[in-house]
Amino acid sequence: SAVISQKPSRDICQRGTSLTIQCQVDSQVTMMFWYRQQPGQSLTLIATANQGSEATYESGFVIDKFPISRPNLTFSTLTVSNMSPEDSSIYLCSVARPGTESSYEQYFGPGTRLTVT
Amino acid sequence: GEDVEQSLFLSVREGDSSVINCTYTDSSSTYLYWYKQEPGAGLQLLTYIFSNMDMKQDQRLTVLLNKKDKHLSLRIADTQTGDSAIYFCAERNDYKLSFGAGTTVTVRA
Repeated sequence: SAVISQKPSRDICQRGTSLTIQCQVDSQVTMMFWYRQQPGQSLTLIATANQGSEATYESGFVIDKFPISRPNLTFSTLTVSNMSPEDSSIYLCSVARPGTESSYEQYFGPGTRLTVT
Repeated sequence: GEDVEQSLFLSVREGDSSVINCTYTDSSSTYLYWYKQEPGAGLQLLTYIFSNMDMKQDQRLTVLLNKKDKHLSLRIADTQTGDSAIYFCAERNDYKLSFGAGTTVTVRA
């Protein structure tokens, strides 16, 4: 399995500000993903972040709003920019290791609970 | 596009078996997953099944897959109070997971 940590675990932010969420994995992984879980809802994929390439965003999510960095194989950040109350969600990072024996396993971090006031 | 559906609630008596059902639409899904989310916590990978299998058993958990009907189920034997949580099924296509809405399982004494 992979041990994934996220910082911060929760935050309360004012509208119009930005928050950067960090995701750290205990081992090298090729693929990292950012998901959003709105209150009482299921998870929705925001983007895929592979090291050495630009992040790939899903429909409805854009780089200006959710810029992502992936500087190495164990770390990624997601920034939620110009926040509004609709951005209040849990943001989770997830990892996968394609091409390995455990390629079918996808693990999630503990999540960052964001409240925008 | 992908669409995963689950029943929203399940109440079960402690010691009984729980069965959580899920349907999906993407016939090219490679793996199907069950995740558990306890209150205030992240997602815990419970089990998964490859799309060319029809059953997988792992201790108290049994996953059944009917690929023809695109139906997935999770059976929890001898359900305990610690099994109370939200259970999400998810299908994977090209490493992207599409989740159902989650089934809230409540275990009563």
